[in-house]
Amino acid sequence: AQRVTQPEKLLSVFKGAPVELKCNYSYSGSPELFWYVQYSRQRLQLLLRHISRESIKGFTADLNKGETSFHLKKPFAQEEDSAMYYCALSPAAGGTSYGKLTFGQGTILTVHP
Amino acid sequence: NAGVTQTPKFQVLKTGQSMTLQCAQDMNHNSMYWYRQDPGMGLRLIYYSASEGTTDKGEVPNGYNVSRLNKREFSLRLESAAPSQTSVYFCASSGQGKETQYFGPGTRLLVL
Repeated sequence: AQRVTQPEKLLSVFKGAPVELKCNYSYSGSPELFWYVQYSRQRLQLLLRHISRESIKGFTADLNKGETSFHLKKPFAQEEDSAMYYCALSPAAGGTSYGKLTFGQGTILTVHP
Repeated sequence: NAGVTQTPKFQVLKTGQSMTLQCAQDMNHNSMYWYRQDPGMGLRLIYYSASEGTTDKGEVPNGYNVSRLNKREFSLRLESAAPSQTSVYFCASSGQGKETQYFGPGTRLLVL
């Protein structure tokens, strides 16, 4: 069975400080990993996915298959980064379960001025 | 282009009552999903539909039924609501590649 764990329910940092939101997963195979974000009074939306290897709003995430982790990082946090962040896993493309996401418990990030 | 829409936004039910949550998307997506969001539990998949005419159970399907009415619409029905079904319900859809799911605004359901 696949599982996604976000060990921190709450994370607080000051503006300009580095931030790292942790995500660990368990899955037998090669999954696809995603970070979704929900800003206050907005819809849940995709932030980034590991396959695209891009930086969105200054955030990056590297898939570490050895440690089965997909931590989200930003070198200098901004107040507008305050939101709920979810890590999510999908079985690999090509299978019948591709696209069925398993979400972590979520981490509420608060960036203080 | 409204994306994914959900009705109602908020609903209060008594235990045993039934109701249907509606979801529609205007992005011509094949796949649609229903999730529930509970504190400390994240989002959990209830049911999904890979294409029009097909539905399949997710992680927490008990107490729910779904209908993929056509390509645009995917409804979730609670036949006999229970307090444990108090939650925020999200509908989502994804296109051919399924890489990105687009979410609706959610329905807050309170079962007394």
